[in-house]
Amino acid sequence: GESVGLHLPTLSVQEGDNSIINCAYSNSASDYFIWYKQESGKGPQFIIDIRSNMDKRQGQRVTVLLNKTVKHLSLQIAATQPGDSAVYFCAENGSSYKLIFGSGTRLLVRP
Amino acid sequence: SQTIHQWPATLVQPVGSPLSLECTVEGTSNPNLYWYRQAAGRGLQLLFYSVGIGQISSEVPQNLSASRPQDRQFILSSKKLLLSDSGFYLCAWRPVRIGSVDTQYFGPGTRLTVL
Repeated sequence: GESVGLHLPTLSVQEGDNSIINCAYSNSASDYFIWYKQESGKGPQFIIDIRSNMDKRQGQRVTVLLNKTVKHLSLQIAATQPGDSAVYFCAENGSSYKLIFGSGTRLLVRP
Repeated sequence: SQTIHQWPATLVQPVGSPLSLECTVEGTSNPNLYWYRQAAGRGLQLLFYSVGIGQISSEVPQNLSASRPQDRQFILSSKKLLLSDSGFYLCAWRPVRIGSVDTQYFGPGTRLTVL
């Protein structure tokens, strides 16, 4: 369940554009997925979750898409704002107690 | 509503000194509790988790230990810190509902620097 990665992949977008952050998960039996946002020096913040009986879920300016066939999860952020700059982590439920985290993607929003 | 606290927020300790980081959760009962470590620019490494008072599961062998003396209190300790113990330590809690999988909610973290 350890997430490792020396250099985080970075997505740079223009303010106002839409952002798409992707994540490949490992366990085809996982039935619950979460996206977190982590700003510098802070703890990860829950953004949105989705269960495996759904393929899309929408929140405020965010949409999570789940493709179980290829074990792929994505987070779409509409009209990206400077405050969206952060590291984004996906997570899947590894067991009853634990989550398995992805390695994270850094989102940079250009003014 | 539920809140999670961690302290201290930052800590600078010499090599070989002891460590005690504390995490408390308010507004819930019998949560699952977790300690993670995050190195700079990296992901989250699960260190310990607890499903009840006095019940601790260790994920990786290391220089650290954890204890849960009360239902909503989780403590991370070390007798002698190593340079490699430096990092950002995060506590998290998860509500326990039968038949349901729930997310984990993270505290603000403790930045530990071992010199």
